[in-house]
Amino acid sequence: KNEVEQSPQNLTAQEGEFITINCSYSVGISALHWLQQHPGGGIVSLFMLSSGKKKHGRLIATINIQEKHSSLHITASHPRDSAVYICAVRSRRWDDKIIFGKGTRLHILP
Amino acid sequence: DGGITQSPKYLFRKEGQNVTLSCEQNLNHDAMYWYRQDPGQGLRLIYYSQIVNDFQKGDIAEGYSVSREKKESFPLTVTSAQKNPTAFYLCASSIVWGGNEQFFGPGTRLTVL
Repeated sequence: KNEVEQSPQNLTAQEGEFITINCSYSVGISALHWLQQHPGGGIVSLFMLSSGKKKHGRLIATINIQEKHSSLHITASHPRDSAVYICAVRSRRWDDKIIFGKGTRLHILP
Repeated sequence: DGGITQSPKYLFRKEGQNVTLSCEQNLNHDAMYWYRQDPGQGLRLIYYSQIVNDFQKGDIAEGYSVSREKKESFPLTVTSAQKNPTAFYLCASSIVWGGNEQFFGPGTRLTVL
């Protein structure tokens, strides 16, 4: 079993829909990251969370440390939100390793 | 503008040839990383460097080599020993090793023919 699991793997929605992407992890962590990868391949960091909730524009990220679960929400989705969204955790192990999920491919239809 | 550059964007090589991927950063970051991305898989760590003149193997270092002679530069060589080198390669940096935010370059897509 992967240490970081994302769902769904693929998601297609209509413009304007509310989007939720989920991330579950099985290791102790010091932080969780949500990343966005556009079709060209470059990756940008959206959020870094260690507790609670963060909001930036139409994006909201939440984390529940007890349940080892995080969600990324997109309100009023737009075709430009189409990308791969990656959940990554920094483990509390000795090597401070970052473990990446496989990503969720989001496609917003106009 | 500060950032990370990788060149080239696309690279084609014949099987059996070594190839070097460039990664440069002007963020004054101590730590740099190389990741490999394959379809349907999460990023996997190839090598990392905590500080100049130091580097460590990651999870999939076999068939790869790196150097860190300058703080700004962390080139990755894909050798002929790498069994399946065709992949998308991403370079990243962070202020320090264990620094919570990593900044990524645009990536290099390597295709071995």
